[in-house]
Amino acid sequence: TQLLEQSPQFLSIQEGENLTVYCNSSSVFSSLQWYRQEPGEGPVLLVTVVTGGEVKKLKRLTFQFGDARKDSSLHITAAQPGDTGLYLCAGGYSGNTPLVFGKGTRLSVIA
Amino acid sequence: DAGVIQSPRHEVTEMGQEVTLRCKPISGHNSLFWYRQTMMRGLELLIYFNNNVPIDDSGMPEDRFSAKMPNASFSTLKIQPSEPRDSAVYFCASSPTGGNSPLHFGNGTRLTVT
Repeated sequence: TQLLEQSPQFLSIQEGENLTVYCNSSSVFSSLQWYRQEPGEGPVLLVTVVTGGEVKKLKRLTFQFGDARKDSSLHITAAQPGDTGLYLCAGGYSGNTPLVFGKGTRLSVIA
Repeated sequence: DAGVIQSPRHEVTEMGQEVTLRCKPISGHNSLFWYRQTMMRGLELLIYFNNNVPIDDSGMPEDRFSAKMPNASFSTLKIQPSEPRDSAVYFCASSPTGGNSPLHFGNGTRLTVT
């Protein structure tokens, strides 16, 4: 059983379209991190959200942490080919418990 | 900041051979993690160290896998003997304080066992 479910698994869209990907769990997390992974590279941190209901923006990317701190979403406005990659969410607990990763959403933006 | 450095980038070996993957974490980071990534299972945590001490190795699939961290700047993950089902990309990551602090990943070692 996957603790963090990400949807959709795959998404292929045209340049300029908007999209939202989701990260859901039945567990409550103290923080939620989003990473982007490009082919042949390791994941790179995009953002960390820690407060229920928190919204953070990173240029065209908007991240939201659910009020109950069990889920999160990532919305991309006017997607560009450079946004192509695997988007991973990771839930954090307090203390020394390591992060739990979802399987990711693989996004392809076609020019 | 050179980032987390892993070697080799690619490893192709025959079933039954020993494989050693290497990792140099970011200087000053006191936690180090080994992950395995496959399409089917995503990123799986194998083991993590805090201040060079293994804290949780429950993700290590079986006794064929072992990991060491002899000092703060070096870690190895060894598979002996290797099997085709071990084929995956293995990532090392480090973080300043462990727990849920953000991870800095290396670029991985792609292992193929034939």
